[in-house]
Amino acid sequence: ETGVTQTPRHLVMGMTNKKSLKCEQHLGHNAMYWYKQSAKKPLELMFVYSLEERVENNSVPSRFSPECPNSSHLFLHLHTLQPEDSALYLCASSQEIQGGWVYGYTFGSGTRLTVV
Amino acid sequence: AQSVTQLGSHVSVSEGALVLLRCNYSSSVPPYLFWYVQYPNQGLQLLLKYTSAATLVKGINGFEAEFKKSETSFHLTKPSAHMSDAAEYFCAVSDGSGYALNFGKGTSLLVTP
Repeated sequence: ETGVTQTPRHLVMGMTNKKSLKCEQHLGHNAMYWYKQSAKKPLELMFVYSLEERVENNSVPSRFSPECPNSSHLFLHLHTLQPEDSALYLCASSQEIQGGWVYGYTFGSGTRLTVV
Repeated sequence: AQSVTQLGSHVSVSEGALVLLRCNYSSSVPPYLFWYVQYPNQGLQLLLKYTSAATLVKGINGFEAEFKKSETSFHLTKPSAHMSDAAEYFCAVSDGSGYALNFGKGTSLLVTP
């Protein structure tokens, strides 16, 4: 299997639930990203992992917890979410060239999250 | 710091007409520039990219873009729109100042019969 795979594609969860989103890339990339895309809002960068180390965390609430166990896998652990967290969550991977230059992303298809 | 501005959140064209989606960037150094397309409930797909080679870049689905340093622009064009081109289009930039691409707010393209 090639590309970036996200599971599940759709998720409905209650505000007291705990769930995890999974992202897997088979491209040999060394950086992975989580984005949030809400209706009528720009893409919001949440987390960046480079060489399995978190290098950016854009003031994301603690109810979102990322995990990158290796360069091919990225998780987003969710707990006690709010209805406003309902959105499309996108994972992406990239191959950096040198020191911060990003050569473009490959995106997964996203997980459509609904918090009820 | 890198940033991009997409002029026009919505663009409507007739089928067969020219498509022009505008993107201007701000960067202290020559950047890498990208155009992505997103169809409903899907991830973003790379259309084309500029990485300091030829200034006229050809991409998939008949799209192309021209890097103009003097105008700090990277506008996306297609000579003849198809109904299947209706989607959201995002311009993005990387200039070595961070670990992530910086995306514009997107332009929704509507194609009418």
